Amino acid sequence: EAGVAQSPRYKIIEKRQSVAFWCNPISGHATLYWYQQILGQGPKLLIQFQNNGVVDDSQLPKDRFSAERLKGVDSTLKIQPAKLEDSAVYLCASSRDLNSPLHFGNGTRLTVT
Amino acid sequence: QQQVKQSPQSLIVQKGGISIINCAYENTAFDYFPWYQQFPGKGPALLIAIRPDVSEKKEGRFTISFNKSAKQFSLHIMDSQPGDSATYFCAASGRGSSNTGKLIFGQGTTLQVKP
Repeated sequence: EAGVAQSPRYKIIEKRQSVAFWCNPISGHATLYWYQQILGQGPKLLIQFQNNGVVDDSQLPKDRFSAERLKGVDSTLKIQPAKLEDSAVYLCASSRDLNSPLHFGNGTRLTVT
Repeated sequence: QQQVKQSPQSLIVQKGGISIINCAYENTAFDYFPWYQQFPGKGPALLIAIRPDVSEKKEGRFTISFNKSAKQFSLHIMDSQPGDSATYFCAASGRGSSNTGKLIFGQGTTLQVKP
């Protein structure tokens, strides 16, 4: 089966600009996650979707981050405006359901200058 | 209470040796403990996972040991190979609508296996 697809692979922007990341989960996977991985740290959950509904977004900085999963398949994560501390790898993961293992994409590496 | 603490931060092992990485948690609601392997430029990949109803799980050269009373679990890599050189993350999540599927990751251990 095809894995989790993410684009772009790399993005460099200046602070205060906006950026968007796209994720296409494994076919049939109902649950989708966005994680932030700062260099040298473990991934940190930002938001969890079940189909097209948000299960948990308690760790999402909602003043600048937004995410959606229209039609319960693809998802986009947006940052507006970006800050220097947003420099990280943004990982998308999906699972068949809430109790199944997570499969990660290769991430988008964001550099904010 | 949501933290998972991982050690060591880095580890160097000779080829053929045993690599051991340890993790500790506080939240007793956690009931799923996976280990992920991550190579540079790639996303984390599930290596092996355990639930607290067993004390050990083995898959090939990889073994998880679980101590429920101490709230600790560890990854053992037997006969370590240079291809095992990667960053390893322990993680934990729990059941219930507030916890299920939400993995809390440790800080990671960078393993280098010398030929």
